[in-house]
Amino acid sequence: SQQGEEDPQALSIQEGENATMNCSYKTSINNLQWYRQNSGRGLVHLILIRSNEREKHSGRLRVTLDTSKKSSSLLITASRAADTASYFCATRKAAGNKLTFGGGTRVLVKP
Amino acid sequence: GAVVSQHPSRVICKSGTSVKIECRSLDFQATTMFWYRQFPKKSLMLMATSNEGSKATYEQGVEKDKFLINHASLTLSTLTVTSAHPEDSSFYICSARDGTSYNEQFFGPGTRLTVL
Repeated sequence: SQQGEEDPQALSIQEGENATMNCSYKTSINNLQWYRQNSGRGLVHLILIRSNEREKHSGRLRVTLDTSKKSSSLLITASRAADTASYFCATRKAAGNKLTFGGGTRVLVKP
Repeated sequence: GAVVSQHPSRVICKSGTSVKIECRSLDFQATTMFWYRQFPKKSLMLMATSNEGSKATYEQGVEKDKFLINHASLTLSTLTVTSAHPEDSSFYICSARDGTSYNEQFFGPGTRLTVL
C-alpha cells in the first residue's frame, strides 16, 4: 500500500501563479522526497528533506515538512508552462530502506 | 545526477511471449536496483528490489515467476515479463542506487509495454 497520500489529485493554474500540493504519510520517516514526472517519462528528483528539517528551498521550489502532522508541502512559485507534470512525494522510513510513493498531483500550468 | 537508461523505451508484443527490459546505470555502480510498475495516471508501485549478485526481493502480490529479475552486474539489471498477457501492459520504471548513498535513487526513463 502507498505510504503517502497527496492532494489535490489535480491542479490547474495560470502561468505565473503559485502551485501548492500536499503529501501526508502514516509512519515515521527518515526523509521525504519530491519527484516530477513528465507524461510518459521517468522521474526527476527535485528535493529531499530529512526528518529533522522543516523547510528547504531549491530555486522556485519550497518544501516544508511537519513531522508532528506527518505531512509535507511542495510550493512551486511563479509557475511556468514547463512545470506541467505530475509531482510525487516519496518517503523512506530509514536510510537504505525502500521509497514509497504517494498518489501524485497532476499539475497543469496554462500559458 | 547519475544517469540510468532503460531499453527498450517501448515494446509491443503478442500474448504469450516473453519480453526483456534492460536497466543500466551509466556512470556509477548500482549495488541496488528497483523495479516499479505504473498504471496510467497512477503512482509507482514497487515490484522488487535486487542487489547485485543476489536474488531479488519481491513485494507482496508480485509473482516472481512472472516477473524475472536478474542483477548480474553492478551496471545492469533485467526484468523479464514471461508469458505476457494484456493485463501486464504497463509502464515499467527501474531505479538504481549506488553503495555510497542510501538516500539518492536515480530513475530510468521507463519502458512502455503493450501486450496485444
